[in-house]
Amino acid sequence: SQQGEEDPQALSIQEGENATMNCSYKTSINNLQWYRQNSGRGLVHLILIRSNEREKHSGRLRVTLDTSKKSSSLLITASRAADTASYFCATEDLSGYALNFGKGTSLLVTP
Amino acid sequence: EPEVTQTPSHQVTQMGQEVILRCVPISNHLYFYWYRQILGQKVEFLVSFYNNEISEKSEIFDDQFSVERPDGSNFTLKIRSTKLEDSAMYFCASSESNTGELFFGEGSRLTVL
Repeated sequence: SQQGEEDPQALSIQEGENATMNCSYKTSINNLQWYRQNSGRGLVHLILIRSNEREKHSGRLRVTLDTSKKSSSLLITASRAADTASYFCATEDLSGYALNFGKGTSLLVTP
Repeated sequence: EPEVTQTPSHQVTQMGQEVILRCVPISNHLYFYWYRQILGQKVEFLVSFYNNEISEKSEIFDDQFSVERPDGSNFTLKIRSTKLEDSAMYFCASSESNTGELFFGEGSRLTVL
């Protein structure tokens, strides 16, 4: 099974700045999802983008998907200290049963 | 808001012992999953379960592991003869359909000594 791979591994920004995280994957997908994980906690779903969509917004989140490049990006605008967490992309391949997670991007937002 | 609950939150066991991790998925969900995350590493898929049978499993999910839905609410992961490398956070998740958002529990931290 394939996995998403996030880039960068770690990102440190100041409050108010935008944070951009990228994800690349290897084979065809049904959808791509982004999850957030606070330290030592469970994963929380943020947003899902289907393979026939190119961009999606949810609050301060903007996700893009380029299936020709097999890549996605997550943009968090006007970041807050509370956005500090690890962010994972997860791909659902055509078999559909399992989500495959990447290694995550660790985001630190300093006041 | 409905949530996935997992017990125990932390279990410490001796190498070679059996452990059972328990999960109560969201009540109207039909698809159930176990994932694990070794400290600081990626989240790895173990197994998915639907209609009282395994629908997909990864290479990690070998004969040492088993899953069961013993009643209408619980979903368990059994790890037999635990090894040091089984130490990890184990996450249960559920979903309404086999495509779309997964709802994760807070995890069970397993420490094998």
